[in-house]
Amino acid sequence: DGGITQSPKYLFRKEGQNVTLSCEQNLNHDAMYWYRQDPGQGLRLIYYSQIVNDFQKGDIAEGYSVSREKKESFPLTVTSAQKNPTAFYLCASSIPSGGSQKTQYFGPGTRLLVL
Amino acid sequence: ELKVEQNPLFLSMQEGKNYTIYCNYSTTSDRLYWYRQDPGKSLESLFVLLSNGAVKQEGRLMASLDTKARLSTLHITAAVHDLSATYFCAVDGETSGSRLTFGEGTQLTVNP
Repeated sequence: DGGITQSPKYLFRKEGQNVTLSCEQNLNHDAMYWYRQDPGQGLRLIYYSQIVNDFQKGDIAEGYSVSREKKESFPLTVTSAQKNPTAFYLCASSIPSGGSQKTQYFGPGTRLLVL
Repeated sequence: ELKVEQNPLFLSMQEGKNYTIYCNYSTTSDRLYWYRQDPGKSLESLFVLLSNGAVKQEGRLMASLDTKARLSTLHITAAVHDLSATYFCAVDGETSGSRLTFGEGTQLTVNP
């Protein structure tokens, strides 16, 4: 089955701790994205990557970091600099950016809570 | 900067009624996407509208796109409780590369 997986489903962070959220896709999509969703709110783009070894900041990149060493994987690290990380984090991927359609397909999400 | 606005943000309706959700956007685009999100869940793609005048229908939902007015509508016909969810529109700006800009979402509650 093709799809996007995110792990863990729930993640607890202590003060001053960095944590990494995993996102893997087997859809052969070039582009991948990380969004943050706060309760009752829309999606805000953190980082995105259109190709391996390249990524761009989104609208709320401060306190986060990413890497894109493999096409299938786009992990997100929430650093200690992110003072209010409690949110629902969604990873998405889309077909090659040269195509006319850019539907993004979403993973199941990771809920991050601060202890 | 591309802005996407949905109206209304909250919608409570009775089963059997019809209603329309509006999505306005601020820049030239001929590609618009509708998603559904159930509480506590991820987003599911509903419709992809790729040209002016495009209309897509699935069950009780119908989406349309007017690129000249920079407006998309999601029409609900004879609502049922199972349609209760949050609906997002997203726009692909011509200069935005592969990123989409999402609206704030419309939280729909269908009451028996």
